[in-house]
This record gives sequence, C-alpha cells and structure tokens, in this order.
Amino acid sequence: DAGVIQSPRHEVTEMGQEVTLRCKPISGHDYLFWYRQTMMRGLELLIYFNNNVPIDDSGMPEDRFSAKMPNASFSTLKIQPSEPRDSAVYFCASSPFRGLYNEQFFGPGTRLTVL
Amino acid sequence: AQSVTQLDSHVSVSEGTPVLLRCNYSSSYSPSLFWYVQHPNKGLQLLLKYTSAATLVKGINGFEAEFKKSETSFHLTKPSAHMSDAAEYFCVVSVLSGGTSYGKLTFGQGTILTVHP
Repeated sequence: DAGVIQSPRHEVTEMGQEVTLRCKPISGHDYLFWYRQTMMRGLELLIYFNNNVPIDDSGMPEDRFSAKMPNASFSTLKIQPSEPRDSAVYFCASSPFRGLYNEQFFGPGTRLTVL
Repeated sequence: AQSVTQLDSHVSVSEGTPVLLRCNYSSSYSPSLFWYVQHPNKGLQLLLKYTSAATLVKGINGFEAEFKKSETSFHLTKPSAHMSDAAEYFCVVSVLSGGTSYGKLTFGQGTILTVHP
C-alpha cells in the first residue's frame, strides 16, 4: 500500500487566493482526519470524517475553511480566501475503526505558505 | 477531560547513551496511549501503542514505553541512542469522541530529541 497520499507537497500563494489541499486515504480505512501543525499551536485536529460523512468540525478555525469527502478515496481541504496566518503544515491521516485503540496513519503533509 | 503533558520540550543526548522522554496523562478512565515520531519534513509515524494488554510496550527501532497507572505516566525509553533517532516525539492519548465509540487522538506538545555524536 502506498500509504496516505497528499498533494501538493508545497504550496505558495498570495493572500486572498483560494487554496485546495488534497488527500487520498489508505484503502479500506473508515476514518479520515485533517490536522494543522504550527510552531505556536502544535498539532490541531481540524475535522474528521467517518464513511465520508463529517463527524466533528469543531476544530475548523473559521468559515474560510471547508472540507469535503465526495467518496472513500478522496478528500479536499479548501481555504478561501487565504490569509498569511493560515501558513502551516497540513496533514491528512486515515484510520480503520478500532474503537479506543485506533491508530492513525499520516500522510507526508502539505506545507502552505501564504504571502 | 483527557489530556497529555510532555514534560520536556527538548532533550539532548550523546550517541550510545540512554533516551528518556517523559509523558504524563490525565484520563477519567483507562486510556489508550501512543507515541508517534516525526522526522524533519516528514509525516508522523507510530512508534508504539498501549492497549491495556501489557504495561511494558515494545515499539519499532528499539523504543519501549511503560504504562504506570499509579503515576499516570507513559515514558518513552531507548537503551542506546542512534543519530537517526533525532526527531520530534509526540505522546498521544485516545479519547472517546462524544456520543461515539471512536477514540479521537489528543497530542502532546512534542519533545525534540537531539543526538550528539
């Protein structure tokens, strides 16, 4: 298995532009997670899906952020409009269901820089 | 509420010496605990996990961790550090997400391990 795949690996954009990050989870995993990592705030859970349905989006910072999972093999995280404070590394992770003892498998991340 | 505290933000050791990364957790019930490692510019990789089957858990690359309920600790150790161990390490507790039976991960702030030749 190729693991969790994220694209692009690096994104540089200007303030106000729309940014779309993409994720392909491991086949057969029921859960998909989007995280953001910054020096100041560490690793934060933004949203997670179960069987393509958003379960908890309480970590999404504001309405500029949206996430979709149209099918079991693809998810997007969109920022519109982007701001410099959105600069961070965004990770996607997937997990099979194992109740309390779930292990999440992380992708390599997308490093976003908003100028 | 469940939480996890990593007691050291940075740890520096010499190659060949033991490694100790400390983690304390807070949980109202028997938790599930993990250690993840993140090498520079890479994603997070699972080192080991505690699932109540045994209190001493062995992971990859010679790491192990001991669950001590009386001390609410889950410290990560390795007998002999290698240069390739230099990375950031995260202690993680699994929390049952409200209204579901799925454990949502709560990450510690991370400990950066530096290994000197």
